[in-house]
Amino acid sequence: EAGVAQSPRYKIIEKRQSVAFWCNPISGHATLYWYQQILGQGPKLLIQFQNNGVVDDSQLPKDRFSAERLKGVDSTLKIQPAKLEDSAVYLCASSLWSGTTEAFFGQGTRLTVV
Amino acid sequence: GENVEQHPSTLSVQEGDSAVIKCTYSDSASNYFPWYKQELGKRPQLIIDIRSNVGEKKDQRIAVTLNKTAKHFSLHITETQPEDSAVYFCAARNEKLTFGTGTRLTIIP
Repeated sequence: EAGVAQSPRYKIIEKRQSVAFWCNPISGHATLYWYQQILGQGPKLLIQFQNNGVVDDSQLPKDRFSAERLKGVDSTLKIQPAKLEDSAVYLCASSLWSGTTEAFFGQGTRLTVV
Repeated sequence: GENVEQHPSTLSVQEGDSAVIKCTYSDSASNYFPWYKQELGKRPQLIIDIRSNVGEKKDQRIAVTLNKTAKHFSLHITETQPEDSAVYFCAARNEKLTFGTGTRLTIIP
């Protein structure tokens, strides 16, 4: 079974630039999560999708972050404009549904804002 | 919303000894409690999980206990080995999956 795919693996941008991350979940998984993990901290949920609807985006900084999940499959997370404090690993995860099922993580995208 | 607290933040144990990591959660509606292990530079990977209708679950050297009344759950690792060294995260889920702050476990040979 193929895992959660993310790209790119690494990205370095200057502050105020824009960046986009892509995630392809495990086939058949209805729930997709985007987490931000700052070095030395636990993953922080940015947004959770159930199919192509948003379940929770309460911690997404909506003035600069946006995310979409077209057709309930792939998802993109965008930051515009980036700030220095956005430097982190962005992890995508998916699960069969949002109940008592395991969430599988992708390798993550390490973003450095300079 | 859900708040998950995890203790300790760092833990060092002698190889062969046991390690215990504790978490508390705030949302009584949470019904699923996974534990993830994250090695340096790698993705979090599930090592064990427990559902709210169960009080304890064991898988070889790893066990998890859940006290729904007190809203806390714990990870127990027995006969620790050097490869157990990593950061461990607890999490709780009602509708959304919320993680604790992590415990850096170091096994001393």
